[in-house]
Amino acid sequence: SQQGEEDPQALSIQEGENATMNCSYKTSINNLQWYRQNSGRGLVHLILIRSNEREKHSGRLRVTLDTSKKSSSLLITASRAADTASYFCATGVRDDKIIFGKGTRLHILP
Amino acid sequence: EPEVTQTPSHQVTQMGQEVILRCVPISNHLYFYWYRQILGQKVEFLVSFYNNEISEKSEIFDDQFSVERPDGSNFTLKIRSTKLEDSAMYFCASSDGGANEKLFFGSGTQLSVL
Repeated sequence: SQQGEEDPQALSIQEGENATMNCSYKTSINNLQWYRQNSGRGLVHLILIRSNEREKHSGRLRVTLDTSKKSSSLLITASRAADTASYFCATGVRDDKIIFGKGTRLHILP
Repeated sequence: EPEVTQTPSHQVTQMGQEVILRCVPISNHLYFYWYRQILGQKVEFLVSFYNNEISEKSEIFDDQFSVERPDGSNFTLKIRSTKLEDSAMYFCASSDGGANEKLFFGSGTQLSVL
């Protein structure tokens, strides 16, 4: 069964606005990661947050993790056209298994 | 920056044929993975590999699938008798810390089964 579920499935915002994507998961995790995928390309790692962390920043990215609610959010501030992509959350559930969600398709409008 | 390379980028095959997808992980990584993605949808875990053996596999990874690290640099995925539903983008990934660290992905092999 799918571990992570992103919300919304698709998001369109104006350039310069902030984009927020959410991820919910079902089981205990070691960490939660966010990846980006441009159309038809490989996935690129954005940020990893461990289960004992609550918030993490990297450039224009801010990730939060609430293990009590089994949820995470990814905030992209001051969006740019180049941020148009699909974004996936991925949960490390055991020593050697990382499960991806269905992704959020983000479209930045000029 | 080091990268994971996959060949071929596109593979077309007839149903029932065997295919081998090839990957060269990042040289100092010890954990290797195969994922697949159908039509830009969800990214599905197939298998993880560490210390020359499978460490985890999904229900998708049945007896038609096998993985091998034949020479210390390549990591291959073999599908023995392809089915139409095997058509997908197959991604290889590697990591230096397993599921506790980030994965580095290749650009993928688009497999089309006719």
